[in-house]
Amino acid sequence: EPEVTQTPSHQVTQMGQEVILRCVPISNHLYFYWYRQILGQKVEFLVSFYNNEISEKSEIFDDQFSVERPDGSNFTLKIRSTKLEDSAMYFCASSLAGPNTGELFFGEGSRLTVL
Amino acid sequence: QKEVEQNSGPLSVPEGAIASLNCTYSDRGSQSFFWYRQYSGKSPELIMFIYSNGDKEDGRFTAQLNKASQYVSLLIRDSQPSDSATYLCAVRGSSNTGKLIFGQGTTLQVKP
Repeated sequence: EPEVTQTPSHQVTQMGQEVILRCVPISNHLYFYWYRQILGQKVEFLVSFYNNEISEKSEIFDDQFSVERPDGSNFTLKIRSTKLEDSAMYFCASSLAGPNTGELFFGEGSRLTVL
Repeated sequence: QKEVEQNSGPLSVPEGAIASLNCTYSDRGSQSFFWYRQYSGKSPELIMFIYSNGDKEDGRFTAQLNKASQYVSLLIRDSQPSDSATYLCAVRGSSNTGKLIFGQGTTLQVKP
């Protein structure tokens, strides 16, 4: 069964360092998302991406964050200068169908720990 | 602020019973509704989705939607200990980007 894959599964970094989280969405999917979940809290939307551009971003997704689909298969989330409060589980998701239909399928997540 | 509300629980039911999980949402323009299951430390796993008012059944799971009351529920029949997890209600709102807004989740404990 096709699945969304994410790497790394866990990354530990020092505050102020750059981090890149990688995702390979399901191959025929067209809509891509990043969500995060701070321990014990709800899953929060970060950004949606379609047709090689951001379609919506949340207030969390400030100038320190960026996304890219560099080669038609990978979908990356970059955090330029990490803060302690960026420690969370980051989930990539993808969807085949358009924005009003279609289920989101989530990857296993990348746990980011900022020290 | 568009919100999705769930009782955080825990909801405890005996094995074999029906578990009833509830969710309310604030955006009247919401189009589609999803239930995800999340085991501790794992990613959300899609259980069901529902777009129209009424009931939708899939095996032991039934989703119920009432748009007038802005209410979604999930019934789990013949609950098993393996159903013990956090159940996330997610709502696709009126924005045209497909994003989901998640509730806090309800923790379900099924006791053998």
